[in-house]
Amino acid sequence: GQQLNQSPQSMFIQEGEDVSMNCTSSSIFNTWLWYKQDPGEGPVLLIALYKAGELTSNGRLTAQFGITRKDSFLNISASIPSDVGIYFCAGRNYGGSQGNLIFGKGTKLSVKP
Amino acid sequence: DAGVTQSPTHLIKTRGQHVTLRCSPISGHKSVSWYQQVLGQGPQFIFQYYEKEERGRGNFPDRFSARQFPNYSSELNVNALLLGDSALYLCASSLGGQSVVGTQYFGPGTRLLVL
Repeated sequence: GQQLNQSPQSMFIQEGEDVSMNCTSSSIFNTWLWYKQDPGEGPVLLIALYKAGELTSNGRLTAQFGITRKDSFLNISASIPSDVGIYFCAGRNYGGSQGNLIFGKGTKLSVKP
Repeated sequence: DAGVTQSPTHLIKTRGQHVTLRCSPISGHKSVSWYQQVLGQGPQFIFQYYEKEERGRGNFPDRFSARQFPNYSSELNVNALLLGDSALYLCASSLGGQSVVGTQYFGPGTRLLVL
């Protein structure tokens, strides 16, 4: 099935460092969502973006909906051990039903204390 | 408030068997979507239901079917199980409706292992 290009695939960083990950698509999206998934759990919504250029923060997390509508990034500032997990971007095409999210393959974040 | 609930949490089946997975959406949400997540991949869209009608279908064989009940809960059925059906099956709920810009909230998933 179709998936987004999400990078990097994995990151291993020191506690306190800032983190940046991004997603690109070959088609225009009208919605970008960022989720975090812990082992054995379902994805948990972090940030939702609905307008091109939109910049939204949720605590130490900041995400932006790219101007071209084909990309989005997520930044995490001052990482802590509980940030460990897999981060997924997800988007919805114009014309797609609300239920049809397309996911990236995820960015696995590991934090060294 | 209760989030999305799914049952069972884990399931082991053998090839050729049938399985039914269940999902209850967040109170007030009328749309349920199903996703399959194999190890190391992002979730793949299977179905969306809104107001008991199928509103979207992903690229999955006809062995996969689903339905939504009047109380907006949903079932995912998979017939003639194959080894490749082993995955985490996720249910997501949203307010629903094409005109509503909404967000999906996921349940904890059902882990299916086909032997």
